[in-house]
Amino acid sequence: GNSVTQMEGPVTLSEEAFLTINCTYTATGYPSLFWYVQYPGEGLQLLLKATKADDKGSNKGFEATYRKETTSFHLEKGSVQVSDSAVYFCALSDLGTGGFKTIFGAGTRLFVKA
Amino acid sequence: EPEVTQTPSHQVTQMGQEVILRCVPISNHLYFYWYRQILGQKVEFLVSFYNNEISEKSEIFDDQFSVERPDGSNFTLKIRSTKLEDSAMYFCASTYREGGNQPQHFGDGTRLSIL
Repeated sequence: GNSVTQMEGPVTLSEEAFLTINCTYTATGYPSLFWYVQYPGEGLQLLLKATKADDKGSNKGFEATYRKETTSFHLEKGSVQVSDSAVYFCALSDLGTGGFKTIFGAGTRLFVKA
Repeated sequence: EPEVTQTPSHQVTQMGQEVILRCVPISNHLYFYWYRQILGQKVEFLVSFYNNEISEKSEIFDDQFSVERPDGSNFTLKIRSTKLEDSAMYFCASTYREGGNQPQHFGDGTRLSIL
């Protein structure tokens, strides 16, 4: 079945450092891809999405490009802030027998130090 | 921006008791979902619901679980006889229309603790 694999955390960075969180997927067809973020004590918020190959999703300085050839959707940010500390989930939209559902990676915890 | 709201934020229940987790999806949404996240693990799909019936359910969603949309606004998840391993964060989600490019809108979750 379809699945998402993302790099294990935690990732610890200093403020203004460059961030990459790797994500690869296994899927039949071409699913939409998402990054969700979970801040401490909160729910899952959509950070960005890409719906087809070579699409770039971006939001709040974060970017990810849908790479069909490498089945990847790596999350990047040029300069992280303390407020970016959270858990980041890569996800894809999976078409099952009863319609679409979201399949999540394991999550990567990011700590940003001042 | 409209939100999915879940109550309670934290539920503590004795093993074997029934529990009902409540969700109010975004008002014009038509597709509803429950997911759970056991502490330290990934978010897992439980069930999807549309037009007053279950569209799909996972292996986790056994006979102890049920969902209901009792009125025009609420969407509930019931666990009939809770087990210790049901302790998790439960997330409700909704979308307006179905399609692979439609991100699901999630609530803040209910943390269920089974004693």
